[in-house]
Amino acid sequence: QKEVEQNSGPLSVPEGAIASLNCTYSDRVSQSFFWYRQYSGKSPELIMSIYSNGDKEDGRFTAQLNKASQYVSLLIRDSQPSDSATYLCAVNRGGAGGFKTIFGAGTRLFVKA
Amino acid sequence: DTGVSQDPRHKITKRGQNVTFRCDPISEHNRLYWYRQTLGQGPEFLTYFQNEAQLEKSRLLSDRFSAERPKGSFSTLEIQRTEQGDSAMYLCASSLRNSSSGNTIYFGEGSWLTVV
Repeated sequence: QKEVEQNSGPLSVPEGAIASLNCTYSDRVSQSFFWYRQYSGKSPELIMSIYSNGDKEDGRFTAQLNKASQYVSLLIRDSQPSDSATYLCAVNRGGAGGFKTIFGAGTRLFVKA
Repeated sequence: DTGVSQDPRHKITKRGQNVTFRCDPISEHNRLYWYRQTLGQGPEFLTYFQNEAQLEKSRLLSDRFSAERPKGSFSTLEIQRTEQGDSAMYLCASSLRNSSSGNTIYFGEGSWLTVV
């Protein structure tokens, strides 16, 4: 079982729609959760971090965390063609578990104009 | 803006040669990470440092790979006797030891290695 699992996609949505990206993780002691966006040929850039159960909103992005289900999601509202990229879910144990951040393989998102 | 800086950005080398990459982290960050990424995959953890101490190293990392951070500032990643399978983007990232940040890591632009 991979430590962080994502559907590789591609996920295709029309411009203006909501894109929903999902991620599950295997280590129950994980404390910190991140979403990164990666354009082709570029390095990952941080979109959001979330540490507590529930929702966290930042502009058009909402991260959702459910530790009981070991599930993290990212919603992108009013999707734009410029949102077309690979979205990486990442997890960090923190504390005594160490500070290694593990990434999923990413979900490719295409937003059609 | 002094983000994470990596050098060289691109390297083409012949199989069997040694290569070295350098990373300069964000100035106040005390943790430094190395990852490797191949096409269609997420970044794969290689190793990380807290200050000058190498705290964890991936079991996937062969003996041909070595990383150092001698003064707790910049770091180098050396690959000896390169193989074609080493072709990848090598990413450096850094983070600040701060309980409120959840150890958020920030990446440099990456160093592309092609082994021919």
